[in-house]
Amino acid sequence: QVQLVQSGAEVKKPGSSVKVSCWASGDTFSTYTFNWVRQAPGQGLEWMGRVIPFLDVSNYAQRFRGRATITADKSTSTAYMELANLTSEDTAVYFCARFGTPDTAMVKNWLDPWGQGTLVIVSS
Amino acid sequence: QSVLTQPPSVSGAPGQQVTISCTGSTSTIGPFFDVHWYQQFPGTAPKLLIYGNDNRPSGVPDRFSASKSGTSASLVITGLQAEDEADYYCQAYETGLGEVVFGGGTKLTVL
Repeated sequence: QVQLVQSGAEVKKPGSSVKVSCWASGDTFSTYTFNWVRQAPGQGLEWMGRVIPFLDVSNYAQRFRGRATITADKSTSTAYMELANLTSEDTAVYFCARFGTPDTAMVKNWLDPWGQGTLVIVSS
Repeated sequence: QSVLTQPPSVSGAPGQQVTISCTGSTSTIGPFFDVHWYQQFPGTAPKLLIYGNDNRPSGVPDRFSASKSGTSASLVITGLQAEDEADYYCQAYETGLGEVVFGGGTKLTVL
């Protein structure tokens, strides 16, 4: 059973950047797509984007293009999400989640498993 | 405003049945697209509950079922238990945006 383990909580100043990591156990890292989803306090889930490690390809939700960078390091089985130019509205829990199948297409794919979440607080 | 619309809250007494709807459009829920459901308890990560419209992962009780019809999907929970009190989210794919999308979430209260 694959486990996703994320880095710890962060407190950042407005205008700065944050980089969150997500390490995947097992030996199938490159085969699957890894996604990032965030959840602001008391709010719902919001998909940010994804990375396909074996293709080195990333795709982003429209509202995060130009500000989020999602990458993968196949040598360490780790996915990363970096978000720049932080504001208080970026205060949220950030989750990584793997697609349920190796299919890179998003049309029918689901998110499982999920990391434990990383709280990012943006405050001056 | 979520691309998929869910009721903000539903409630039911123990033992009863509740249904959570998820309404989309032809660009999110249709014959060629799948809907998935997640359960989330406060302070924890979402957990996959239903995948591919109506499939339960191993370990999910058969009290949970789901279906899809037209541009809507439904999650049905029968024999409600206190431990089912949680937030539930539907998820699909928006072809116009090329993005994974979620419903706004439904808070289930077991009375």
